[in-house]
Amino acid sequence: GNSVTQMEGPVTLSEEAFLTINCTYTATGYPSLFWYVQYPGEGLQLLLKATKADDKGSNKGFEATYRKETTSFHLEKGSVQVSDSAVYFCALTTFNTGNQFYFGTGTSLTVIP
Amino acid sequence: EAQVTQNPRYLITVTGKKLTVTCSQNMNHEYMSWYRQDPGLGLRQIYYSMNVEVTDKGDVPEGYKVSRKEKRNFPLILESPSPNQTSLYFCASSLSLTGVATEAFFGQGTRLTVV
Repeated sequence: GNSVTQMEGPVTLSEEAFLTINCTYTATGYPSLFWYVQYPGEGLQLLLKATKADDKGSNKGFEATYRKETTSFHLEKGSVQVSDSAVYFCALTTFNTGNQFYFGTGTSLTVIP
Repeated sequence: EAQVTQNPRYLITVTGKKLTVTCSQNMNHEYMSWYRQDPGLGLRQIYYSMNVEVTDKGDVPEGYKVSRKEKRNFPLILESPSPNQTSLYFCASSLSLTGVATEAFFGQGTRLTVV
C-alpha cells in the first residue's frame, strides 16, 4: 500500500539554524512527492514537489530531493527564519490511486529569535 | 484568484444534529476530496469525487455523506454527528490528468466540535 512516515516533532530551532525534516515513503506504483506547509489557522499550501527520481523540488529556500533508492524525500533549509514556524507535511500521490494523497503525521516547527 | 472555499470555518454542534459543510472551487477541477486532520494521525481521506455524480469512499467514510451535483461544489454532510467526529476538516481539489499526479489545492479548513 501507500504510506508516508515523517519524523516526529515538535522541532524547535534558533533563527538561522539548519533544518532537516526526514520523510520516507512506501508506494505501489510510481509516486509523486510533495511537501505541504500549514501556517497557524490556515489550510495547507504546497511548498514544493518532485515527480520523478532524482528531481529536486525547491521553494522559499527549502529543498527536497526524490531518492528512489532510499524511498526518501527529506526537507532541508539552510537558514530558518521565525516566519518558517509552521507544520510541515510530507505527502505522496500516484495517478493510479485516483489523485488520493497520503500524508505523513506532520512535523511542527518553531523557530525562536 | 484560484481558491477552494469552505464554510463555515468554525462550528460547534450537538450530537445528532445534522450539519453540512460546504466546499466550492473556482479552478474547474474534476477531482475533489474531503480530509480530516487529527493530532498524531495527519490527514486522512473521507470521500472523494472524480467528477460530477461520481463519488467514492476514502479511508474513513463512516458517518459521512457527500454529493457532487455540480463540478464546483462538493458538500460534506454529517447526518447524525457524534463526538468522535470532532476534528479539523479540509476540502481539496485537483486536476485529473491521465497518467499524471497533480498537486492538490486546499481550503482553509473547518474546525468542528460535536458536544
